[in-house]
Amino acid sequence: QSALTQPASVSGSPGQSITISCTGTSSDVGGSYNYVSWYQQHPGKAPKLMIYDVSNRPSGVSNRFSGSKSGNTASLTISGLQAEDEADYYCSSYTSSDTYVFGAGTKVTVL
Amino acid sequence: EVQLVESGGGVVQPGGSLRLSCVASGFTFSAYWMSWVRQAPGKGLEWVANIKQDGSEKYYVDSMKGRFTISRDNAKNSLYLQMNSLRAEDTAVYYCTRTNIATPGESWGQGTLVTVSS
Repeated sequence: QSALTQPASVSGSPGQSITISCTGTSSDVGGSYNYVSWYQQHPGKAPKLMIYDVSNRPSGVSNRFSGSKSGNTASLTISGLQAEDEADYYCSSYTSSDTYVFGAGTKVTVL
Repeated sequence: EVQLVESGGGVVQPGGSLRLSCVASGFTFSAYWMSWVRQAPGKGLEWVANIKQDGSEKYYVDSMKGRFTISRDNAKNSLYLQMNSLRAEDTAVYYCTRTNIATPGESWGQGTLVTVSS
């Protein structure tokens, strides 16, 4: 199972919006189930779930974070970028083999 | 509050074995699928395995089938990962996660570090 494809890095200035892409195949991201999720990880910390079911936010996650999907590519958008958003972001997807696959990760830098 | 506390990590020689444990609290452990996810130093996340609520179904990433075994004890609110024939590339922080169909990582522990080295 190959890792989902994410850009290595994305940057933006405070207040701007950025979008991170996550590309897979018809066996995972593009499958009929919408089981794509996104995680935020600060250095030395455990990951935190930010988005599940492509576009749903867990309780307590800022509405500045939003998700979407088109075909084999899912996207995470962070609007109103803040310094605290600087972190690594990972996507994951359920697969047709009843397993999960993660993306390689994207480092977000707030300029 | 959901709490997941892993233990059992350490240094082990190549070819050796290690058993990781995770104790859960703050939720009904027996009602959830559970997973192990690992992260090699400076690398990304890798899903390892998951197990159904009653232990009747288990799934593994292909590269770890036959070497790793996931199990659980609902009476002890505990999840386990038995790791055999360890290799240098298994060196990673291993996270215990509460899982649902939509996501392997609904909640995460703090992780336990496994180092495979001679």
